[in-house]
Amino acid sequence: DSGVTQTPKHLITATGQRVTLRCSPRSGDLSVYWYQQSLDQGLQFLIQYYNGEERAKGNILERFSAQQFPDLHSELNLSSLELGDSALYFCASSRGNYYEQYFGPGTRLTVT
Amino acid sequence: QQQVKQSPQSLIVQKGGISIINCAYENTAFDYFPWYQQFPGKGPALLIAIRPDVSEKKEGRFTISFNKSAKQFSLHIMDSQPGDSATYFCAAMSPLMNRDDKIIFGKGTRLHILP
Repeated sequence: DSGVTQTPKHLITATGQRVTLRCSPRSGDLSVYWYQQSLDQGLQFLIQYYNGEERAKGNILERFSAQQFPDLHSELNLSSLELGDSALYFCASSRGNYYEQYFGPGTRLTVT
Repeated sequence: QQQVKQSPQSLIVQKGGISIINCAYENTAFDYFPWYQQFPGKGPALLIAIRPDVSEKKEGRFTISFNKSAKQFSLHIMDSQPGDSATYFCAAMSPLMNRDDKIIFGKGTRLHILP
């Protein structure tokens, strides 16, 4: 158990809908990262927040957004969902900037 | 986008043998190179990591070899065990902020250790 929690574990929704994925980092970790894992694209870095501020962006679509709240939990919002957004979404956290990231168990999103 | 090329895609090793997985990167700004182990249905777990100022790091049966001039690094698993059967990912990370290529993962290697 990494200490990073993610909810929900599974999510099934229809195309065009909007969903919110939630992540709670390990105690004391200030950075939160979001990743998308699909069979064809592998593990793709989406976005990083550090102590409430956006720190870096990766391959995040404009339909996706994230935020980190004062209690350091983070949410990833996915809107106008397409079939191709079906994937595993992982959250990771670290003490500082990107070193030693610890991953959560993931949220499996299925868009039908 | 910068890539991290990982090979092989899959690997079968006899119990007790040495498993070797290789990665090559392009961007010299990367300064942290972790390896992650992922079991089915689980999130990736940090296994071992190295900085480019050392050529080798060993933790138990796991060793990273790093070749800065060749921009390559590899994971060696000594005395491989059936419990090591998993998917392994290398990654390269840069401290520079607001870069699209700040964190890049390899495509993964599916390792199977024969009992």
